[in-house]
Amino acid sequence: KNEVEQSPQNLTAQEGEFITINCSYSVGISALHWLQQHPGGGIVSLFMLSSGKKKHGRLIATINIQEKHSSLHITASHPRDSAVYICAVVPGGQNFVFGPGTRLSVLP
Amino acid sequence: DTGVSQDPRHKITKRGQNVTFRCDPISEHNRLYWYRQTLGQGPEFLTYFQNEAQLEKSRLLSDRFSAERPKGSFSTLEIQRTEQGDSAMYLCASSLSGSNQPQHFGDGTRLSIL
Repeated sequence: KNEVEQSPQNLTAQEGEFITINCSYSVGISALHWLQQHPGGGIVSLFMLSSGKKKHGRLIATINIQEKHSSLHITASHPRDSAVYICAVVPGGQNFVFGPGTRLSVLP
Repeated sequence: DTGVSQDPRHKITKRGQNVTFRCDPISEHNRLYWYRQTLGQGPEFLTYFQNEAQLEKSRLLSDRFSAERPKGSFSTLEIQRTEQGDSAMYLCASSLSGSNQPQHFGDGTRLSIL
């Protein structure tokens, strides 16, 4: 069993839809990160969470430490949101343990 | 702040050759990380440095792999006697020290073994 799992693996949405990507993990962590990876490889950090909820523009990230679960929400999705979204946890050391990613395609 | 830069962006080589990649972190960042990502998978940790000291290495880092950060600034990752299975994207990231500091990623070096 992988330490970090994501669902769904692939997601296709119409422009304007509300999107939710889920992440569950099995280890104790000091933080959880949501990352965005566009074709070509570049990774951008979206959020770092250790509790509660954060919002940035149309993106919202939540974490439930007791349930070992986090969600990333995208409101009013747009084709430029198309990317791979990766959940990564920090199990107390300094290194990320990555989920497999969720590939999102937003159609116009 | 010019971000994390990696060179080259793409390397194509024949099986059995040696390759070396370079990563230049954000200048004030004292931590530097190397990750490997194969197609359709999330990245996997390889190794990380605090200044010039290599503090942790993954079991994924076989004897053919070596990483250095001689002056605590840029880092190199060398793969000797490359194999087909080494084909992947090699990602570098840097951060400040301290728990829960965000990591800043480079665009990666894509290695293709013929």
